Amino acid sequence: GQNIDQPTEMTATEGAIVQINCTYQTSGFNGLFWYQQHAGEAPTFLSYNVLDGLEEKGRFSSFLSRSKGYSYLLLKELQMKDSASYLCAVRGGGGSYIPTFGRGTSLIVHP
Amino acid sequence: DADVTQTPRNRITKTGKRIMLECSQTKGHDRMYWYRQDPGLGLRLIYYSFDVKDINKGEISDGYSVSRQAQAKFSLSLESAIPNQTALYFCATSDPTGNGHEQYFGPGTRLTVT
Repeated sequence: GQNIDQPTEMTATEGAIVQINCTYQTSGFNGLFWYQQHAGEAPTFLSYNVLDGLEEKGRFSSFLSRSKGYSYLLLKELQMKDSASYLCAVRGGGGSYIPTFGRGTSLIVHP
Repeated sequence: DADVTQTPRNRITKTGKRIMLECSQTKGHDRMYWYRQDPGLGLRLIYYSFDVKDINKGEISDGYSVSRQAQAKFSLSLESAIPNQTALYFCATSDPTGNGHEQYFGPGTRLTVT
């Protein structure tokens, strides 16, 4: 089975930096995804990590440590529109390439 | 136009009724999925299909069935709806040649069973 943990809710100030953590325990590992989901809308893909290290994409970066079973999503220069849920999803072993989703972290950005 | 569409977008039905949720995609992807989302529980996989002849159960398939009518269409049925099936349902597709098989989600169907 797979177990994925991320904080339920976080708050931050516009213009600041926030780090959303995700820890996981899986049988095998074939990649970790971050998705953004605004209230009532579909999740949209943000990032994918399969090797250790930092992947940077504009204001968003994602980090992975496979040995620690740990990832984080870093959001810089926060904007009000970044208020959303952030979903961590892990693809375990077995070759089916089906990811398991964490419960999501609701980020509230205030002025 | 949206690449992954779902109909209906909202549905209210009564306990015991049969209901079908439909999903269509124009992305040309072979892999399609059905998820439900409940507050505080995240996305949970109901069924998935790797091609027209391949259907697989997910972690919460009881009470649901699916049909893959074509590469572009994947329908989810609730044979006899019950109130605890009230949820937001998402269809998704993925491309095994893409960026780690990232998934593309439809806009969702909000289902209420009274």
